[in-house]
Amino acid sequence: DAGVTQSPTHLIKTRGQQVTLRCSPKSGHDTVSWYQQALGQGPQFIFQYYEEEERQRGNFPDRFSGHQFPNYSSELNVNALLLGDSALYLCASSLGGSFNTEAFFGQGTRLTVV
Amino acid sequence: ILNVEQSPQSLHVQEGDSTNFTCSFPSSNFYALHWYRWETAKSPEALFVMTLNGDEKKKGRISATLNTKEGYSYLYIKGSQPEDSATYLCASPLSSGGSNYKLTFGKGTLLTVNP
Repeated sequence: DAGVTQSPTHLIKTRGQQVTLRCSPKSGHDTVSWYQQALGQGPQFIFQYYEEEERQRGNFPDRFSGHQFPNYSSELNVNALLLGDSALYLCASSLGGSFNTEAFFGQGTRLTVV
Repeated sequence: ILNVEQSPQSLHVQEGDSTNFTCSFPSSNFYALHWYRWETAKSPEALFVMTLNGDEKKKGRISATLNTKEGYSYLYIKGSQPEDSATYLCASPLSSGGSNYKLTFGKGTLLTVNP
């Protein structure tokens, strides 16, 4: 049983470019959440997708958008990249669209913006 | 408390020592409290999800307690081993208004267990 997989593992982009990160949830999970982790900080919640809709959103600008597909996999898109977007991006999957079940995390995508 | 806070920021213990860390969170509109262990170069791993005041959970040598009225949770590790070395994160869903919740993490406690 594959756990949560994210791709790519590392990525270097230039300021102003756009990036797409991908996440496949754990088998049987229907909810995907995305987090940004900057150095020295805990993961910051970006948004959560359930039933192909954005259900919850953190304090991130509209440059951050996402999508969930019918097979529950998800993409995170970031437009007009800034240097400050450099971080580890984590995807987590869970069941049922709520926050009272445990989440399973992928290993993350390390994004560097130069 | 308006955010999720953890203490201490880091901790060094000797193999065999027992230790504990604290997670503080807003006590109003409590939803749930999560504990995760994050080893270097690995994914965060869920330890516990707790929802009831007074709840106690245990997994091997690790246990956690929850006090929702005063807004804190303790994580205990009995007889620490070098493989327990990791960052321990807690998280709680906090509402910014209405039904919009965001799972808010503390900055973590970095535990180093020396052999």
